Amino acid sequence: ETGVTQSPTHLIKTRGQQVTLRCSSQSGHNTVSWYQQALGQGPQFIFQYYREEENGRGNFPPRFSGLQFPNYSSELNVNALELDDSALYLCASSSTGGRYEQYFGPGTRLTVT
Amino acid sequence: GENVEQHPSTLSVQEGDSAVIKCTYSDSASNYFPWYKQELGKRPQLIIDIRSNVGEKKDQRIAVTLNKTAKHFSLHITETQPEDSAVYFCAASNRGTSYGKLTFGQGTILTVHP
Repeated sequence: ETGVTQSPTHLIKTRGQQVTLRCSSQSGHNTVSWYQQALGQGPQFIFQYYREEENGRGNFPPRFSGLQFPNYSSELNVNALELDDSALYLCASSSTGGRYEQYFGPGTRLTVT
Repeated sequence: GENVEQHPSTLSVQEGDSAVIKCTYSDSASNYFPWYKQELGKRPQLIIDIRSNVGEKKDQRIAVTLNKTAKHFSLHITETQPEDSAVYFCAASNRGTSYGKLTFGQGTILTVHP
């Protein structure tokens, strides 16, 4: 098992609400990447945080935003939730801007009703 | 951007047989190719990876091959066991850019029958 943790495990929200998901990176890692995994699909890259700054972004709208803290933990915020945001949200921990191996957390299952 | 295609989508084998999963990628600048195993309800687990300066890499029953010219790479599992049953994802990234965004294939559901 990796040392990457995520909270909460499951979450149910209503369309239009806002949600915050949390990730603690593995010891020694300074980079956190966030991915969205829809049912039956591969993970899709949302964005990456390296040394507390956004270091790259996938094709996700601005209502998906994030933060990284001095201890390298990270948050993913999603505003104005839509039904299609229902998915497993995974964070991956790595070192040096994600150019090395990425280790995933257990994920947060978000359901939007 | 990068596009990764993975085949087959499902694969059923008998215990002890070999399993092969193939992926193709579109961006010739991609230079890092990891494979993840995801069991039902669990996190993707990195099982093996290969860099573009290497043609093959083995780790016990698992091997990965890379053909840069054809832009495809494959996962080989020998002597399969029921515990190998899971969804397998290939991915590609360009480690020379400022960040290592992973682009994943669609996944292969591997079932190993006892």
